[in-house]
Amino acid sequence: DTGVSQDPRHKITKRGQNVTFRCDPISEHNRLYWYRQTLGQGPEFLTYFQNEAQLEKSRLLSDRFSAERPKGSFSTLEIQRTEQGDSAMYLCASSLGSGARYEQYFGPGTRLTVT
Amino acid sequence: EDQVTQSPEALRLQEGESSSLNCSYTVSGLRGLFWYRQDPGKGPEFLFTLYSAGEEKEKERLKATLTKKESFLHITAPKPEDSATYLCAVQAPLIKAAGNKLTFGGGTRVLVKP
Repeated sequence: DTGVSQDPRHKITKRGQNVTFRCDPISEHNRLYWYRQTLGQGPEFLTYFQNEAQLEKSRLLSDRFSAERPKGSFSTLEIQRTEQGDSAMYLCASSLGSGARYEQYFGPGTRLTVT
Repeated sequence: EDQVTQSPEALRLQEGESSSLNCSYTVSGLRGLFWYRQDPGKGPEFLFTLYSAGEEKEKERLKATLTKKESFLHITAPKPEDSATYLCAVQAPLIKAAGNKLTFGGGTRVLVKP
């Protein structure tokens, strides 16, 4: 059981720089989700893919954020012109289908620190 | 908009001291209520899904119950390894693709002392 993997686990960057995170879902899962979690809070939904199609984006996902899932496999989340407010844990999750019968499994997260 | 509120924010227990965590939710047409456990610096780990009022699920020392307005996570005779943050999340009805996201509460940080 390989689980959801994320890379890198930690990223420190200076304000104004661009960063990109990668998520590899569980192999047979065709749904992929990105969440953001700040200290002491629960995760907040950012965006959702079904295969390669991005089907929903949260209002939290400003124009500086872009996510892709080419070929419906791994996904990348890019943040351009990072701001200190972007500092958070970025979590990826995947599921086998949509709906409550298909629980979402989370990866270990990428912790971003913007200095 | 869906809302999830967890209480208490933090809970300190002695080993063996049973307690309950509360998750109150406001959502039109709940499709599922989920409990996750999260250890520091790690991603949430799935525990339970509850679908309808009256449903109960158990796993080791944990038991989750659901009513029409709230869910409880009961921890029976906890051990230090049960120390973690417990997160509750809801999934709303599917409207196009909007219903697939989870809406989380703020979590309850549980510390079990030996």
